[in-house]
Amino acid sequence: GEDVEQSLFLSVREGDSSVINCTYTDSSSTYLYWYKQEPGAGLQLLTYIFSNMDMKQDQRLTVLLNKKDKHLSLRIADTQTGDSAIYFCAEKAGNTGKLIFGQGTTLQVKP
Amino acid sequence: SQTIHQWPATLVQPVGSPLSLECTVEGTSNPNLYWYRQAAGRGLQLLFYSVGIGQISSEVPQNLSASRPQDRQFILSSKKLLLSDSGFYLCAWKGTSGGNTDTQYFGPGTRLTVL
Repeated sequence: GEDVEQSLFLSVREGDSSVINCTYTDSSSTYLYWYKQEPGAGLQLLTYIFSNMDMKQDQRLTVLLNKKDKHLSLRIADTQTGDSAIYFCAEKAGNTGKLIFGQGTTLQVKP
Repeated sequence: SQTIHQWPATLVQPVGSPLSLECTVEGTSNPNLYWYRQAAGRGLQLLFYSVGIGQISSEVPQNLSASRPQDRQFILSSKKLLLSDSGFYLCAWKGTSGGNTDTQYFGPGTRLTVL
């Protein structure tokens, strides 16, 4: 069945780059997503990538997709303390728009 | 523009009491609607989704139920809460026509504590 895996924790220093990794199992996924969740809040869509793309860049965010290895990554350049949050990777499953989420990666940014 | 609301924001209920959480969407028609639960320190689990009024699909067997009495209203209910129902409940919507029909947008969530 579908499964999405992420590492649980990442700690970086302010100003460094952060790379959050994700692996998925459904090779037929058409869209893959990154959401951000700040403490006590809902999920905010950060970016998404269509499966026929290898890379997508949006300001400080770069998404890389390796379909062969079913590996997705999110790179945050010049990480700031405001980037501290939980980051969820998700893949679209089926035609009803259901999303399969990873467990979330907690990003800690140290000043 | 589209907005999604959830009510209440926080709730503390005793075991065995009933539950009703509400989710409403504005600015779109005929959305797909979703209920997720996020247990403490864990990822999101899809509980229910709906593609139209009165149409509910359940993803996991549980103590909860969902209803969609109106196009943009999605309700999560329980007749008798269990301790294991505690968690953060998130509602989401997805458009079915027009621009982006492949992305889910989330509400602010309801924090439920069952004591």
